[in-house]
Amino acid sequence: GQNIDQPTEMTATEGAIVQINCTYQTSGFYGLSWYQQHDGGAPTFLSYNALDGLEETGRFSSFLSRSDSYGYLLLQELQMKDSASYFCAVKGRYSYKLIFGSGTRLLVRP
Amino acid sequence: NAGVTQTPKFRVLKTGQSMTLLCAQDMNHEYMYWYRQDPGMGLRLIHYSVGEGTTAKGEVPDGYNVSRLKKQNFLLGLESAAPSQTSVYFCASSLYRTGGYGYTFGSGTRLTVV
Repeated sequence: GQNIDQPTEMTATEGAIVQINCTYQTSGFYGLSWYQQHDGGAPTFLSYNALDGLEETGRFSSFLSRSDSYGYLLLQELQMKDSASYFCAVKGRYSYKLIFGSGTRLLVRP
Repeated sequence: NAGVTQTPKFRVLKTGQSMTLLCAQDMNHEYMYWYRQDPGMGLRLIHYSVGEGTTAKGEVPDGYNVSRLKKQNFLLGLESAAPSQTSVYFCASSLYRTGGYGYTFGSGTRLTVV
């Protein structure tokens, strides 16, 4: 089976940097994705890592270590609009299923 | 482009009633999915489809049925609704199996079963 762990809640200050960690256990691994969801909204795709290392997309970066079954999402220059829930999601190697973690609720304070 | 469109957006059902949720995508995506989201939880996969005419079970398929008669449409049916099916339902589609370019989600259907 698959198990995904990420913190339930995090709080950070506008302009700061925050790192949301994700660890996973899965039988066969293909890639790790990150999604953002504002209250009442739909999840939106942020990033995808299939290989070890850092992927940068504007203020957001995502990191993967396959050997450690670990990844993180780094948000820089935090803005109030970044207050949302962030989900990591794992795709197994031979699976069509994208399995989501329970999400990290991020609150950005002025 | 509309992306992924779900109808209806809201619905209240009585226990035992049936209904169908419709998902339509205009991106020519091969893969489509139905997820449910409950408070404080992530998205759980109900059923998915890897192409027209195919369907498969996800993590929580009991009480639901699906059909994909046309590539652009993916229907989720509740034959006899139960209060435990009160949830927000999201449909999604993807171009690739790996999810490498991400899933595109619809805006969701908020279903309450009383």
